[in-house]
Amino acid sequence: QVQLVQPAAEVKKPGASVRLSCKSSGYMFTSNYIHWLRQAPGQGPEWMGMINPSVGSTNYGQRFRGRVTMTRDTSTSTVFMEVSSLGSEDTAVYYCARAEPTPRFPFFAFWGQGTLVIVSS
Amino acid sequence: DIVMTQSPATLSVSPGERVTLSCRASQSINSDLAWYQQKPGQAPRLLIYDASTRATGIPARFSGGGSGTEFTLTISSLQSEDFAVYYCQQHNNWPGTFGQGTRVEIK
Repeated sequence: QVQLVQPAAEVKKPGASVRLSCKSSGYMFTSNYIHWLRQAPGQGPEWMGMINPSVGSTNYGQRFRGRVTMTRDTSTSTVFMEVSSLGSEDTAVYYCARAEPTPRFPFFAFWGQGTLVIVSS
Repeated sequence: DIVMTQSPATLSVSPGERVTLSCRASQSINSDLAWYQQKPGQAPRLLIYDASTRATGIPARFSGGGSGTEFTLTISSLQSEDFAVYYCQQHNNWPGTFGQGTRVEIK
């Protein structure tokens, strides 16, 4: 069965960076794009960007460009997202989600369990 | 970006009741709308996509409708496990955007 496994939590200080991971299993890693979304407390999810695990190409949301970097390791079927210059407004649950092939923006049937990132001094 | 507006913010209902949630898009998205259910501490769970297609394993009491800018999610007879927050998401334009959610709580 399709699984996306993420660490439970990270605590960082303002101005620091965080590197999040998302390990895929149960399907061919290079067949589906992986998207990252975040959800602040009491808010709906917000799309951050995506990576094509096959070739490593990326597409970032406009408000995150310059602060987010997505990479992948095909040997471990893992994608990573690094977010730099963290502020308190970045405190949120960060999810990875698998997209089904579509010419339009996807919907998401498979999600990781999320990593809670707390930014606090 | 397309703005998705959900109403109401909170619904108080009794088990067994029929409930309808609304979602409005700031511009036409054809039928490219998904609905998700989220319980505390869990990731969103896909219920409906393409406005009216149930995802794998979703019970028939969940149904979606609408097109263009106005959409609904109906739960025909609310079960105890259905008390949760529901989000709509447009999957027509980049980037996809979500509504702020409707909380369905026990009356």
